[in-house]
Order: sequence, then C-alpha cells, then structure tokens
Amino acid sequence: GDSVTQMEGPVTLSEEAFLTINCTYTATGYPSLFWYVQYPGEGLQLLLKATKADDKGSNKGFEATYRKETTSFHLEKGSVQVSDSAVYFCALRTNAGGTSYGKLTFGQGTILTVHP
Amino acid sequence: DGGITQSPKYLFRKEGQNVTLSCEQNLNHDAMYWYRQDPGQGLRLIYYSQIVNDFQKGDIAEGYSVSREKKESFPLTVTSAQKNPTAFYLCASSIIGTGTYEQYFGPGTRLTVT
Repeated sequence: GDSVTQMEGPVTLSEEAFLTINCTYTATGYPSLFWYVQYPGEGLQLLLKATKADDKGSNKGFEATYRKETTSFHLEKGSVQVSDSAVYFCALRTNAGGTSYGKLTFGQGTILTVHP
Repeated sequence: DGGITQSPKYLFRKEGQNVTLSCEQNLNHDAMYWYRQDPGQGLRLIYYSQIVNDFQKGDIAEGYSVSREKKESFPLTVTSAQKNPTAFYLCASSIIGTGTYEQYFGPGTRLTVT
C-alpha cells in the first residue's frame, strides 16, 4: 500500500538557518504530493503541493520538488523564522479514476523548533 | 467566513461511554473525512464520505461510526468498542473533481477517556 516516510525529528534550528525536512514515498500510479503544517493546538493547513514529476511547490519561502526518480518531496526553506515553529506533515494522494477524491496518506510528522 | 468547525475543543469521557464529535462545514464541499492523530504516528483515516447518506471505512474504522444526513455535517461517534479512544480527532472536507483539490481541516477535538 501507499506510505510516506519523513525524517525523524524533532528538528531544532536557530533563526535564519537553512531547513530541510526529508520525505520519501511509496505509491502505486502517480500520486499528488503535499506538505501540511500544524501550529500548536490547531488543525492542519496546506503549505504547498505538487501534482506531477518535476513540479515545484512553493509558499511562504518554503519549497519542495516532486522527484519521481528518487520518490522524494523534500521540504526546504532558506532562512527560518521563530514563527515557523510547528509540526510539518508530508502526505500523498493517489487519484482514483482521475478525480481528486480520495484519502491522504500522511507521514509521521516532524516537529520543528526555531530559536531566536 | 467559510470553514470547518469542530466542537468541543476538549472532551472528557469515562470509559464505556459513547461520545459524538461534531463537524460542520460551510464550504459547500461534497467530500468529508475524519482522521485520528496520535503522537509520532501522523494522521490515520477513520471514515470518509463523498455524498449525503453514503460513507466508507478508512484504515482504522473499528470502534467508530459516522452519519451523513446533511451535506454540511459529518458527526463521528466514538463507541465503547474503541480500545484506545484518547486522541486528537481532525475533520476535513474537499471538493470532488478532476483537479488537485486540497483537503481543508478543522481545528480538531482532543478526546480524553479515563
């Protein structure tokens, strides 16, 4: 079945440091890939997405590129801020019959803490 | 403001009692989902529904039940048969179509059973 593996956390960085959170996946067909972010005590928010190989998703300074050859979707940011402290989830969805309806399969989440 | 509301934010129950978690959306989305979140395990799908009066089991449906009598509402009942009910529960909704439509999440309900 489908699965998503994220790098082990927690990750602790100083402000303005470079961030990478690794994500690899196993899926049948051609999944869509997502990064979601969860701030303390809240639900999940979509951070960025990519729907096909070599697509780059980007938002709020975060980027991730859909790499089919390595089945990866690593999240990067050049300079993190204290406000980026949150839990980050990588997820995939295999599209059923060409529609966007279907479950998301999540990685276990990576806790990021950024210190001033 | 369009969005998903879940209530209550915190819920406490005694073991052996059924409890129902509320989820309402005013986004006019056809599909709705329930996920369970446990520390270090990500989110796992409990049930999902594509249309009123129809729903399907997800990966961990045992001990849970749902209904979809209205498009806007998708309540989840945690029954006494659920062996480890203490968790953070998240409801989501999405459009159904041929594009890559995201799932929108509610703020969650933290259930504690003692």
